[in-house]
Amino acid sequence: AQKITQTQPGMFVQEKEAVTLDCTYDTSDQSYGLFWYKQPSSGEMIFLIYQGSYDEQNATEGRYSLNFQKARKSANLVISASQLGDSAMYFCAMREDNAGNMLTFGGGTRLMVKP
Amino acid sequence: GAGVSQTPSNKVTEKGKYVELRCDPISGHTALYWYRQSLGQGPEFLIYFQGTGAADDSGLPNDRFFAVRPEGSVSTLKIQRTERGDSAVYLCASSPGLADLKETQYFGPGTRLLVL
Repeated sequence: AQKITQTQPGMFVQEKEAVTLDCTYDTSDQSYGLFWYKQPSSGEMIFLIYQGSYDEQNATEGRYSLNFQKARKSANLVISASQLGDSAMYFCAMREDNAGNMLTFGGGTRLMVKP
Repeated sequence: GAGVSQTPSNKVTEKGKYVELRCDPISGHTALYWYRQSLGQGPEFLIYFQGTGAADDSGLPNDRFFAVRPEGSVSTLKIQRTERGDSAVYLCASSPGLADLKETQYFGPGTRLLVL
């Protein structure tokens, strides 16, 4: 079974609108962390936001927020007020407490912001 | 400050040849990771170093792949007898090494390897 599933291969959003990128995960660990990274065409992975499994509040970082629903095992990324520079690949990743320090990534979602 | 750097940025080689990919982590970071990203997919873990030692090499696909970090800083990923299926972007990341779940891994720009 896939540990991280991103069901949207591609998404369009109008500039200045909000967009939600979906991520579901599968783990038997009680303690884990969820990360979102942005990968522009240049190729470098840029860290956006983190959510811990024991965090009671949804994480927020500027225009990024994480809609964390633990019972449903989902950690969707919300980008508010989209900008043209947000066009990129977005990856959800998980680090499990009992699986070492590796990150397990989903297949990614390509976001395209329309002017 | 300087981020993670990787050289070369692009490498073209012929099937059967040996290649070395270099990663220079953020200064002071004791943890270093190698990932491989095939076209259209997310990165896949290869190996993790804590200091000089490989703490987890469970992601290396076979014994043609080997990585070293002799002085606890720069790391080299070595691929012997390259195959066309090895073509991918090889990403290096580093982190402070505090073994905290929320510790962020900072990625380099990657090396694009093409095996002809």
